[in-house]
Amino acid sequence: NAGVTQTPKFQVLKTGQSMTLQCAQDMNHEYMSWYRQDPGMGLRLIHYSVGAGITDQGEVPNGYNVSRSTTEDFPLRLLSAAPSQTSVYFCASSYMELAGYTGELFFGEGSRLTVL
Amino acid sequence: GQNIDQPTEMTATEGAIVQINCTYQTSGFNGLFWYQQHAGEAPTFLSYNVLDGLEEKGRFSSFLSRSKGYSYLLLKELQMKDSASYLCAVRDGSSNTGKLIFGQGTTLQVKP
Repeated sequence: NAGVTQTPKFQVLKTGQSMTLQCAQDMNHEYMSWYRQDPGMGLRLIHYSVGAGITDQGEVPNGYNVSRSTTEDFPLRLLSAAPSQTSVYFCASSYMELAGYTGELFFGEGSRLTVL
Repeated sequence: GQNIDQPTEMTATEGAIVQINCTYQTSGFNGLFWYQQHAGEAPTFLSYNVLDGLEEKGRFSSFLSRSKGYSYLLLKELQMKDSASYLCAVRDGSSNTGKLIFGQGTTLQVKP
């Protein structure tokens, strides 16, 4: 059971380059999201999606794009990388609310990005 | 606005009990979560509270007071493997989704 899979696990970019972080889940979760984690800042929500074709901004969306063409996939695109985007990125998914269900998030293993 | 506060670091002794506090001020409330995160790993779910009171799960318990905007995570019989960061997160009141706002996390060091 793969759960939430993120690729790549490590990436080094130069300022101005673009790239896509991939996220896929095999649990049929409607909800998917991207967080970044920086020392002393905790996890901050970048973008999220409540289903295919629907996305919305979180706390820190600038510099990032997302799309949700299928239930399984939720890629995160860095359009023009900046050193301030050096971080660890986590993709997370959950079911939408079901009666008595907590809606806990399941996290991928993370992608460590360095922008030089 | 959204504000979730936790102590940055705590130290405790193996076999002891430790309480990690979390206070929150959010525009709405639809549940509070605790996650554990070991260094270099992904967060994993520990507990969930939506009603006032104590939820117990083995060595871990979590308490919630909605009127005070306060929660704590209680870890009993501490083990070395409990050294980790503990993340408090609140679900937005307007959402039935997993959309969570996290505190900065508390790094717990367990010493022999």
